[in-house]
Amino acid sequence: DTEVTQTPKHLVMGMTNKKSLKCEQHMGHRAMYWYKQKAKKPPELMFVYSYEKLSINESVPSRFSPECPNSSLLNLHLHALQPEDSALYLCASSQDWGQSEKLFFGSGTQLSVL
Amino acid sequence: GQQLNQSPQSMFIQEGEDVSMNCTSSSIFNTWLWYKQDPGEGPVLLIALYKAGELTSNGRLTAQFGITRKDSFLNISASIPSDVGIYFCAGQLAPLGAGSYQLTFGKGTKLSVIP
Repeated sequence: DTEVTQTPKHLVMGMTNKKSLKCEQHMGHRAMYWYKQKAKKPPELMFVYSYEKLSINESVPSRFSPECPNSSLLNLHLHALQPEDSALYLCASSQDWGQSEKLFFGSGTQLSVL
Repeated sequence: GQQLNQSPQSMFIQEGEDVSMNCTSSSIFNTWLWYKQDPGEGPVLLIALYKAGELTSNGRLTAQFGITRKDSFLNISASIPSDVGIYFCAGQLAPLGAGSYQLTFGKGTKLSVIP
C-alpha cells in the first residue's frame, strides 16, 4: 500500500473563510510534507514534519497553519487566504526525513480562493 | 535555490515512438526520482535512482543516473496514449545535512501522444 489520501478533492473558499485540508497515510512513514503547485509549475515545498515535529517551514505566510496530530495524519489549516493562494495543494510522505528517500504524493486538493 | 534544467519543455510524438527526456544540474546529486503527473492529480513515482551509472527499468520506462552525478535521463519506449502527462525529475543534492534532504524539481516535460 503506497497510498496517501487527501480530502477534500476540491475546495472553494472566500477570503474570510476558515477551512482545513486533510492528509492520511498508513505506510508507517515518519515524514510528511505539504507542497503547493501552481498550474504548469513544479511542486514547491511548504512544510516538512518529521516524527510529528515541524522540521521545515519554507517561509510560508501564517495564514497557512500546519498540524500533525499523529504519525498518520497531517492537516493544513487555512484562514484569510488570498486569491493568489489558489493552487493544487499536495501532501506527501516518505519513510523518513533524510537522504535517498522516496516521496509518495497524494492526489491533491484543488483550492480556489474567491 | 538550486535549479534543475529539464528538457525538452514539451514534445509531441506519434504513438509507438520512443521518447527521451533529461535533467541536468551544475551540482552533484545523490538521488534522482522521476514522476509522472496527470492533470488535477498528484505526481506518481515512476523510478528512483541512487547510484552513479545506475540503469533502472519499470516496464517500458528506463532511467539512468549519470556517471557525473549531475544528470539523469528517462526513456519511454513504444509510447501509448496513456503516456500523456507531465514528467518531472527531482533530485536530492549530495552534501550532507538536513538542508540537503529537500527535493529539487525540474520544470517538467509535457508529453503529448498522437494516436
